[in-house]
Amino acid sequence: DAKTTQPPSMDCAEGRAANLPCNHSTISGNEYVYWYRQIHSQGPQYIIHGLKNNETNEMASLIITEDRKSSTLILPHATLRDTAVYYCIVRVMTTDSWGKLQFGAGTQVVVTP
Amino acid sequence: DTAVSQTPKYLVTQMGNDKSIKCEQNLGHDTMYWYKQDSKKFLKIMFSYNNKELIINETVPNRFSPKSPDKAHLNLHINSLELGDSAVYFCASSQIPGPNYGYTFGSGTRLTVV
Repeated sequence: DAKTTQPPSMDCAEGRAANLPCNHSTISGNEYVYWYRQIHSQGPQYIIHGLKNNETNEMASLIITEDRKSSTLILPHATLRDTAVYYCIVRVMTTDSWGKLQFGAGTQVVVTP
Repeated sequence: DTAVSQTPKYLVTQMGNDKSIKCEQNLGHDTMYWYKQDSKKFLKIMFSYNNKELIINETVPNRFSPKSPDKAHLNLHINSLELGDSAVYFCASSQIPGPNYGYTFGSGTRLTVV
């Protein structure tokens, strides 16, 4: 699976949009981009994933560049409960890839009042 | 109802002891996993089971033995515990692999070996 690079930390004001960057310059054509987050003392939580197109769900939006070498997770209106470590993961999704999510160090996001 | 539940939440034990961590999921998923999060907060996969069959074994010491009595349960037994086994262990489950909605993790078991 391709490696990802994320900033170690970032702050965001409550109510503002949080834009979390991720570089994955060695991504292959069949690798998806996944985002998870881990709130302190809890298990990781799935947020969103995508292949080529931008994606949106009730939690966030995922913007993937045309060359797929980077992506941005957008939390549209950050709340204090969004304070967590956010992980960007790229991996092949085939029937043979039995769930080897490879977590990196992630980005510690702190939302401040 | 908790989707993926682990017990116990905390476990403190002495070196050399044998202990087990239990995991149950009520999501009807086919695949279950054990992950280990060390003191540096890195999450690493240890095992994966699909319908009670071992799929992934990530060079984990033989002292760790997963057991899946049915596809809703995946327990982790650890023999001869060592100080380095201290970590948070997460159980997770997913439907059969594919571009789906992702994996569901339990809340973790914090193991401290003294």
